[in-house]
Amino acid sequence: ETGVTQSPTHLIKTRGQQVTLRCSSQSGHNTVSWYQQALGQGPQFIFQYYREEENGRGNFPPRFSGLQFPNYSSELNVNALELDDSALYLCASSSWDATDTQYFGPGTRLTVL
Amino acid sequence: SQQGEEDPQALSIQEGENATMNCSYKTSINNLQWYRQNSGRGLVHLILIRSNEREKHSGRLRVTLDTSKKSSSLLITASRAADTASYFCATDHNQAGTALIFGKGTTLSVSS
Repeated sequence: ETGVTQSPTHLIKTRGQQVTLRCSSQSGHNTVSWYQQALGQGPQFIFQYYREEENGRGNFPPRFSGLQFPNYSSELNVNALELDDSALYLCASSSWDATDTQYFGPGTRLTVL
Repeated sequence: SQQGEEDPQALSIQEGENATMNCSYKTSINNLQWYRQNSGRGLVHLILIRSNEREKHSGRLRVTLDTSKKSSSLLITASRAADTASYFCATDHNQAGTALIFGKGTTLSVSS
C-alpha cells in the first residue's frame, strides 16, 4: 500500500508569484484535503476534493485553488503569493465512506520572500 | 478558526513517566482524533474516539472523551524519547464536509 506523497519537499518563491503543489493520494482513497500549517500553529483546512470537485472550503481567499484528477491525485495552486503564505502545506487522503480518518503526506514547505 | 485547544502548550518529562495532554473544543462533534507530528513533518494518525465513546486504548495510548465538558485527554504511558513530538487533537467540521479542525498542539519533550 502506497502512502500519501507530496512534491516538492521545499519551495522558495517571491511575493506575487504563483505556485503549484502536488499530492498523490494513498491507494484506494478517493478524497483529498489540503491544509496550511503556519509555524507554531495547528493545520488549517483549505479545501477538500472528491470526484474532481471541491467539497468544502475553509476560510481561504479565491487565490487558493485546487484540482483533483481522475486518478485522485490533486494540486493546490496559490496565486499572487504573500509573505503570510509561508507555511507547511499538508495533503491528506481518505475514503469517501470513511473520511473521518485522514492520512497525511509529509508536506511541502513553502517560503515566500 | 480553531475548534480544539490543547493544554499544556509544552510538556517536558523523563523517559518512563506518563504524559497527559488535554483538548477542549467548542461545538458538538461526531468524533475526535489525536495526531502526532515530528519536527514539522506530516501528521500521523494515533487514535479516533467517537462521540458515543468515553474511553479508548491503543497500545500505550489512552484517550478519554467527555462530551458534556467538550474535552478530551490523551495519556501516553511509559514515555520514550521517540515520543518527543507535537500532539494535536482534531475534530470534524460538519459545515465543510469532513474537514478536520485542529488545535495549536502540545509539544512533548521526553528526555532520557
